[in-house]
Amino acid sequence: GAGVSQSPSNKVTEKGKDVELRCDPISGHTALYWYRQSLGQGLEFLIYFQGNSAPDKSGLPSDRFSAERTGGSVSTLTIQRTQQEDSAVYLCASSQDRGRAGELFFGEGSRLTVL
Amino acid sequence: AQSVAQPEDQVNVAEGNPLTVKCTYSVSGNPYLFWYVQYPNRGLQFLLKYITGDNLVKGSYGFEAEFNKSQTSFHLKKPSALVSDSALYFCAVRDSAAGGGNKLTFGTGTQLKVEL
Repeated sequence: GAGVSQSPSNKVTEKGKDVELRCDPISGHTALYWYRQSLGQGLEFLIYFQGNSAPDKSGLPSDRFSAERTGGSVSTLTIQRTQQEDSAVYLCASSQDRGRAGELFFGEGSRLTVL
Repeated sequence: AQSVAQPEDQVNVAEGNPLTVKCTYSVSGNPYLFWYVQYPNRGLQFLLKYITGDNLVKGSYGFEAEFNKSQTSFHLKKPSALVSDSALYFCAVRDSAAGGGNKLTFGTGTQLKVEL
């Protein structure tokens, strides 16, 4: 499709397990973002990739969280040793604007539930 | 640091009446401002943005927003609300200043409920 694609759409896991969330951005978009949406808490920035530049990891909440972007396209967000407070919707977005005026296009999110 | 405030958790309005969803911001330089809408169990959809120029910005679905630099506000408006406008609305800001970073900072969202 033409939009941002995320998988899985829903993931239920047990506390302590590792999870991987995948994002396929819009073709040609050089910027890719991960956000976390928790109930009643808005959107929390996690990480930003722009082309071949070093990613902005300033929003990652702990060292259990990591992300990579291969070939300037698909991105994977990994959460190690999941905790119940990691339960949230993880949203990926992409943008074609190398500057900061461009709007983000969001996927429909991956809902993570940690039991 | 940049920030956004949406002072109302929920706004209720009757169909056909005008609606306003409030947003104020804080940045070091000049702001790039955005509004997004989220329908249940869906991702965020872009509505409109202010970058520079005319303070009144028109966007999708008949929405508009007015940039007010002196009040550091960017309120979302629509002259006549529809029941189908009921959704969660997010305001967002990015600092245009060099060194302002690349992340888009979002408010906590305002739930709009339009009733018959």
